Order: sequence, then structure tokens, then C-alpha cells
Amino acid sequence: NAGVTQTPKFQVLKTGQSMTLQCAQDMNHEYMSWYRQDPGMGLRLIHYSVGAGITDQGEVPNGYNVSRSTTEDFPLRLLSAAPSQTSVYFCASSLTGGLVQPQHFGDGTRLSIL
Amino acid sequence: ILNVEQSPQSLHVQEGDSTNFTCSFPSSNFYALHWYRWETAKSPEALFVMTLNGDEKKKGRISATLNTKEGYSYLYIKGSQPEDSATYLCASAMIQGAQKLVFGQGTRLTINP
Repeated sequence: NAGVTQTPKFQVLKTGQSMTLQCAQDMNHEYMSWYRQDPGMGLRLIHYSVGAGITDQGEVPNGYNVSRSTTEDFPLRLLSAAPSQTSVYFCASSLTGGLVQPQHFGDGTRLSIL
Repeated sequence: ILNVEQSPQSLHVQEGDSTNFTCSFPSSNFYALHWYRWETAKSPEALFVMTLNGDEKKKGRISATLNTKEGYSYLYIKGSQPEDSATYLCASAMIQGAQKLVFGQGTRLTINP
């Protein structure tokens, strides 16, 4: 099993550009989520999904869209990149929702917005 | 909004010493408490998930306790080794927002040889 795979690992964008951060898991996990990690802020939840076709907002959803058309994939879309979205983004998954299962994290995507 | 606090923010410990740090969370509507170990340039790795008051979990030299009535959890490391150097994160979920995990800022542990 590859676990949770995030692509790309690094990306530089210009303000106003759009892009999609990819996240895929091969563990048949129902729950998937996106976090951003900023210095001094810890991990903050952007969006999450409890299964295919079901998504919801986390703490900091503005400027981001998600969809969950398959169990395996949970892409994060930046519609119009802003410098405030410069961050390290982590995708995580767990077997079921309810958060009594440990989260499995991807290796992260380091995103810089100029 | 659920607020999770960790203390101290950073800690330097001599190799061989034991140490502990704290995670505080709102005690009302508690659902679950997670601990993760995060090494530099890697991704967070799960240590424990606890749900019941009085829970104690152990993995090797690392153990954790949970007090849901007063809203805190302790992580203990016995006989610290250089490979224990990492940031330790805790995260909590409430019953009403049971699909949302809220992380603390972490405790950065450095083991001095």
C-alpha cells in the first residue's frame, strides 16, 4: 500500500492563478481531510469528507473547493490564489468518520503564492 | 470553536531523562483525543487515540493518560532517546462537531545527547 499520496510536493503560483492539489489513498478509507500548516498556528482543517459524494467545511474553508467523486481521491482546488494561501498543505485519511480512528497523513505539498 | 492548548511550546531534555507535556481541551461534549508524533521533514504519525475518561495507552517508552472531566491529557516519555526529538501534536474532537479534529500548536521536544 502506498498510503496517502499527495502531488505535487512543491508548487509556486502567481496571485490569481488557480490550481488543484491532488490527494489519493489506497486504503479504502471513508474519511479524508485537508489541513494547512502555518508557523505558530498548528494544523487547521480546511475541508473534510466522510465518504464519496459528501463534503463539508472545516475551520478555514474560504478560497478552497473540494469534491469527492471516488473513495480514493480528494482534490483541493484553489480558485484564485492569494499570498495568504502560502502554506504547507496536508491531506489525511482514516478508516471511518467519527474521528475515533487515527489519521494517516500524506507527505505534504509546499505551496508558495507570489 | 474548540480550543486545544499544548504546553510547553518547546522542551529540551537530556538523553536518558524522562519527560511529560500537557494537552488541554474543553471538557464539555468531549468525543476523542489524538496524539501524533511529527519529525522534521516527515508527516505526522499517529501515536494514540483515546476516548474514555481514565484511558491510559502505551507504546514502548511513550504513554498517555486522559482526563475528560477536567479536560487534559498527558504524554509521557520514559528514558528519552535522541530519536524521540520531534514535535508532539494533540488534537481533539467534540460530540457536536465529531467529524472535525482540532489540533493544538504542538510541543517541540529536543533530546540533548
